[in-house]
Amino acid sequence: DTAVSQTPKYLVTQMGNDKSIKCEQNLGHDTMYWYKQDSKKFLKIMFSYNNKELIINETVPNRFSPKSPDKAHLNLHINSLELGDSAVYFCASSQVTREQFFGPGTRLTVL
Amino acid sequence: LAKTTQPISMDSYEGQEVNITCSHNNIATNDYITWYQQFPSQGPRFIIQGYKTKVTNEVASLFIPADRKSSTLSLPRVSLSDTAVYYCLVGNFNKFYFGSGTKLNVKP
Repeated sequence: DTAVSQTPKYLVTQMGNDKSIKCEQNLGHDTMYWYKQDSKKFLKIMFSYNNKELIINETVPNRFSPKSPDKAHLNLHINSLELGDSAVYFCASSQVTREQFFGPGTRLTVL
Repeated sequence: LAKTTQPISMDSYEGQEVNITCSHNNIATNDYITWYQQFPSQGPRFIIQGYKTKVTNEVASLFIPADRKSSTLSLPRVSLSDTAVYYCLVGNFNKFYFGSGTKLNVKP
């Protein structure tokens, strides 16, 4: 049983395109997150939603927009993709301050 | 926001105990300390979490001194499969910071 799942696992696209990454958790958690991990392996929090409400919104370009249709889903939409957006994007979930459970990651490559 | 500092890398041999220290001088009263393990091409995985003193579970121990300005993850008797990157995270519900990670290399 997959706890936190992301689709797609790999995403290769051209500059300027718009793409979405989907995330779902079946753990019943109330908080979900999006992270970006660059080539140097730094994990940077991008967004966090608690019960569908945005609680963390770090400094990321407006081209990135999270959408939470319900507590179990947090999707990430990216407009006008740029070369610098190439990275691995991780979704995670947790129950308030307890440990976060991470998805397998989506490797985004912008050509 | 409590930033964290960890060694970039460490080497060890199978069967040894490994201690990885994370510095977090600006930790806030309501911040927790959490450690994660990450293998290549996988998402980070929770190891242990604590607030103060010592916490032990089936895979690791976490030592936190009284001033809470640092923490030490202790891995007993490491094996080759413990080769991974270990991240320290300090923060609370809506503000937290992942360290840059410590790459542990376990040699036979």
